[in-house]
Amino acid sequence: DTEVTQTPKHLVMGMTNKKSLKCEQHMGHRAMYWYKQKAKKPPELMFVYSYEKLSINESVPSRFSPECPNSSLLNLHLHALQPEDSALYLCASSQAGGLGYGYTFGSGTRLTVV
Amino acid sequence: ILNVEQSPQSLHVQEGDSTNFTCSFPSSNFYALHWYRWETAKSPEALFVMTLNGDEKKKGRISATLNTKEGYSYLYIKGSQPEDSATYLCALSLNTGNQFYFGTGTSLTVIP
Repeated sequence: DTEVTQTPKHLVMGMTNKKSLKCEQHMGHRAMYWYKQKAKKPPELMFVYSYEKLSINESVPSRFSPECPNSSLLNLHLHALQPEDSALYLCASSQAGGLGYGYTFGSGTRLTVV
Repeated sequence: ILNVEQSPQSLHVQEGDSTNFTCSFPSSNFYALHWYRWETAKSPEALFVMTLNGDEKKKGRISATLNTKEGYSYLYIKGSQPEDSATYLCALSLNTGNQFYFGTGTSLTVIP
């Protein structure tokens, strides 16, 4: 299996809702990432997990809460989001510490906050 | 904030034309330069990883070059086909930290 699977593909949520995005990979990669992409902007890093431990949090608001329950799964819990949080959320994985290897990406979750 | 710039932002070419676009990046602390091809509603697909100044990589009709001293990489597509239509993203990784810095992408449309 050489894929990163993200679910759901699309999500519409209200500002008072709680929802979760899920990301799964079975390539044995020990680094996993959440990126956020707004239209016509580059993907921006949100969180990095390395060996299931949070290693980078790029000053993301606490309404986004990441979780890495095991080496194959990465979740992003969403609560009390704002309309400006509407974006494409991309998950990626890589061999830990191997920036020369590149990422394997999921196809993203398109989130709309209403 | 680290600036990785791609130009042009978008490009329309006729089928059969060859084309190229640029990724510019700061050259300090360089570790690797990555190119991805991203079709709408799909996952970005890795094309090339380049680490050495002067690297040239080729995959079918697509090739890339790297100049780390002046901080740029070119991606070339020879004889463009409609299936080449996609956004081409470059990303920089540094020898410090554990993340990529992405450009905004070049959107290529190949007209049959």
